[in-house]
Amino acid sequence: ETGVTQSPTHLIKTRGQQVTLRCSSQSGHNTVSWYQQALGQGPQFIFQYYREEENGRGNFPPRFSGLQFPNYSSELNVNALELDDSALYLCASRRELSTDTQYFGPGTRLTVL
Amino acid sequence: TQLLEQSPQFLSIQEGENLTVYCNSSSVFSSLQWYRQEPGEGPVLLVTVVTGGEVKKLKRLTFQFGDARKDSSLHITAAQPGDTGLYLCAGASGNQFYFGTGTSLTVIP
Repeated sequence: ETGVTQSPTHLIKTRGQQVTLRCSSQSGHNTVSWYQQALGQGPQFIFQYYREEENGRGNFPPRFSGLQFPNYSSELNVNALELDDSALYLCASRRELSTDTQYFGPGTRLTVL
Repeated sequence: TQLLEQSPQFLSIQEGENLTVYCNSSSVFSSLQWYRQEPGEGPVLLVTVVTGGEVKKLKRLTFQFGDARKDSSLHITAAQPGDTGLYLCAGASGNQFYFGTGTSLTVIP
């Protein structure tokens, strides 16, 4: 148990819809990163939040957006879903932006039909 | 783009055998992590290596960080079925983490 939780566990959407995924960071952690992981591949960095501000973004289009709340929990929003958005979405938290150790939640499995 | 390539991509071995997984990049990282991930779950951190040339041991697992901090290896001695999973390396640079392509290990009883 890492103390990082994600909801929902699984989600099925249709193309064009919008989705919101949630992540509660480990207590005392102020940095949350989001990753997309296709089956059998390594996680791809989407973006990360540090003290409620976006701090770094990977090669993902603007329809991927996020938010971090004062309690450091975070949301990932994806608009205009495409079939290729089907993946495991992972969030990871760490104590500080400069900390090298991050802890992952169990992920949200998103299926787009 | 900082690319981390892992080899081999797939590995299937008998229980008791030894194996080595490699993680290579042309980029320098401030640290490197190794994770193991089981199907449908998030990656679980195994180790963080920070210093070039550093070697860390975790029971039957030995991790090494390259002298130039661009590559790493994971060696498993006497593999057991419980070692089965996806092994991922991740390099830290500029407050971000860049993941490798993954090595899927199956240990057959």
